[in-house]
Amino acid sequence: NAGVTQTPKFQVLKTGQSMTLQCAQDMNHNSMYWYRQDPGMGLRLIYYSASEGTTDKGEVPNGYNVSRLNKREFSLRLESAAPSQTSVYFCASSSTGGFYLYGYTFGSGTRLTVV
Amino acid sequence: QKEVEQNSGPLSVPEGAIASLNCTYSDRVSQSFFWYRQYSGKSPELIMSIYSNGDKEDGRFTAQLNKASQYVSLLIRDSQPSDSATYLCAVNPHTGNQFYFGTGTSLTVIP
Repeated sequence: NAGVTQTPKFQVLKTGQSMTLQCAQDMNHNSMYWYRQDPGMGLRLIYYSASEGTTDKGEVPNGYNVSRLNKREFSLRLESAAPSQTSVYFCASSSTGGFYLYGYTFGSGTRLTVV
Repeated sequence: QKEVEQNSGPLSVPEGAIASLNCTYSDRVSQSFFWYRQYSGKSPELIMSIYSNGDKEDGRFTAQLNKASQYVSLLIRDSQPSDSATYLCAVNPHTGNQFYFGTGTSLTVIP
């Protein structure tokens, strides 16, 4: 029972380089999310996908793109990395039960440094 | 005004004491409330959920919700050094399929 798997765990990029962060969940959850966590800023939502085939912007989407490849996989792409994108990135997934959104299950995180 | 506010701390309590963590939120019609624990360098893990007014107990943890005052709290009884972590409050507003997180309260339990 892997839960939410993120790759890679660590990455160093040069300014202007691109990369894709991968996320997969095996819990049959409908909703998936990408957050970034910065000191003093808390967790901020980048993009989310409420269901397969849909994606929506969160609080800080600029500089990022996402793809909900199928129900299991949700990737985050940095097209041209900037030092301001140095952060810890978390993927999360959740299910819904009627009116309520159940709690997230988080991946282990990706620590990204842009130099 | 932020959606979810927490006192960043740090909060220090002696081992065996009660730790009290508080959170306020701005959306009056919020539906779901969660507490996550995050150890340094790790991902957040869900420890408590609460949906209706009142108290909810789970072992040494008690979540309290007061929708009229728009606050949710977490009490940790018989605090242990292993409880030392950052505690994140998360709120699901009445619209949208996401949670808003507070910036977290850092708790240190002193042996």
